[in-house]
Amino acid sequence: EDQVTQSPEALRLQEGESSSLNCSYTVSGLRGLFWYRQDPGKGPEFLFTLYSAGEEKEKERLKATLTKKESFLHITAPKPEDSATYLCAVYILTGGGNKLTFGTGTQLKVEL
Amino acid sequence: DSGVTQTPKHLITATGQRVTLRCSPRSGDLSVYWYQQSLDQGLQFLIQYYNGEERAKGNILERFSAQQFPDLHSELNLSSLELGDSALYFCASSVGGGIRTDTQYFGPGTRLTVL
Repeated sequence: EDQVTQSPEALRLQEGESSSLNCSYTVSGLRGLFWYRQDPGKGPEFLFTLYSAGEEKEKERLKATLTKKESFLHITAPKPEDSATYLCAVYILTGGGNKLTFGTGTQLKVEL
Repeated sequence: DSGVTQTPKHLITATGQRVTLRCSPRSGDLSVYWYQQSLDQGLQFLIQYYNGEERAKGNILERFSAQQFPDLHSELNLSSLELGDSALYFCASSVGGGIRTDTQYFGPGTRLTVL
């Protein structure tokens, strides 16, 4: 069965304290891996798409990387405004149509 | 702002009732997706429509149905509501139909509370 697992479930950082969030997956027919940011009560906001192992993408303090089994979201020198839930999702081919399967997210809290 | 709009923002109703949620995709997007997000389940894919046709189906209950209209807006109908249907319902849209990997842009969601 296709699975997407994110860890840790929750992470508390001090401002400026860099860290990484993990997304591991066991799927067949992976067509892409997405990272989204979600603030409480809001819709997910698109961050990155990664298509193949070895690919990296950066945006401000965030950098996403992809291997054959997992993806990392590195947060460098985070600020309080980076506090949010970070979701990863895999886009896969299925017999019932292509679909995006989400992990349960990592809830990040950045404190002053 | 993603460009995807959803109405209403909040909906409170009773068990056994029927409600309709509405979504307008970003300009130029042909696909609309519906997701349910509850505290214990995370984001669950329900159904996708592409240019008026059903394209992919997820874990959508038989009590739920959706359609996409010629102007590309979509409606999700939830009937015989149960307490467990209380959740955030998100609509997302993308340019293509899902054959190639497409970025999905999410709306602000509708919070449904069933009492």
